[in-house]
Amino acid sequence: DTAVSQTPKYLVTQMGNDKSIKCEQNLGHDTMYWYKQDSKKFLKIMFSYNNKELIINETVPNRFSPKSPDKAHLNLHINSLELGDSAVYFCASSPDFNEQFFGPGTRLTVL
Amino acid sequence: AQSVSQHNHHVILSEAASLELGCNYSYGGTVNLFWYVQYPGQHLQLLLKYFSGDPLVKGIKGFEAEFIKSKFSFNLRKPSVQWSDTAEYFCAVKNTDKLIFGTGTRLQVFP
Repeated sequence: DTAVSQTPKYLVTQMGNDKSIKCEQNLGHDTMYWYKQDSKKFLKIMFSYNNKELIINETVPNRFSPKSPDKAHLNLHINSLELGDSAVYFCASSPDFNEQFFGPGTRLTVL
Repeated sequence: AQSVSQHNHHVILSEAASLELGCNYSYGGTVNLFWYVQYPGQHLQLLLKYFSGDPLVKGIKGFEAEFIKSKFSFNLRKPSVQWSDTAEYFCAVKNTDKLIFGTGTRLQVFP
């Protein structure tokens, strides 16, 4: 039933580790996004894919690498995690670059 | 570049009080505007949206917003808030293929 799902919901890891967050949508949308929400609730777009093609890359460090195996999935891999990567990461999808449907978020804590 | 300003960072109200949250955007052309709500510990959900037509838009849970082109504003209103409206509220504007979010307004409603 879930429209946009993310796993895991919580992720606690040490600095320097590599981790992945997965996102899946069953809405049939062509476009998917990754956002980072910091401790002050500021929401910033990181990446956007349309039909598996990268269309937005917002000056994100290249330690972050999105991968879209098909248009229903957009995963986020993060290498060499740093303290400043601690945040809530939201996946979203959209049918038309307008209204976006958000996933439940993944709270990443880097120790 | 397009931007969105939400000048009220933190609003505290008693139940039954009226609410108005400010949102101003920078772009002077045709705009698509949104208000999203994020309840504590949850993901963003769409409250309402404006694309064209009647500048007074009604959304879910008794919220409405008014688009005033001359003022570049899209303020959110509710005549009588409830404790359950306690949440973070985000205004957003569409910029080509992505949404630009404001910094959010934290609303606390006390019984």
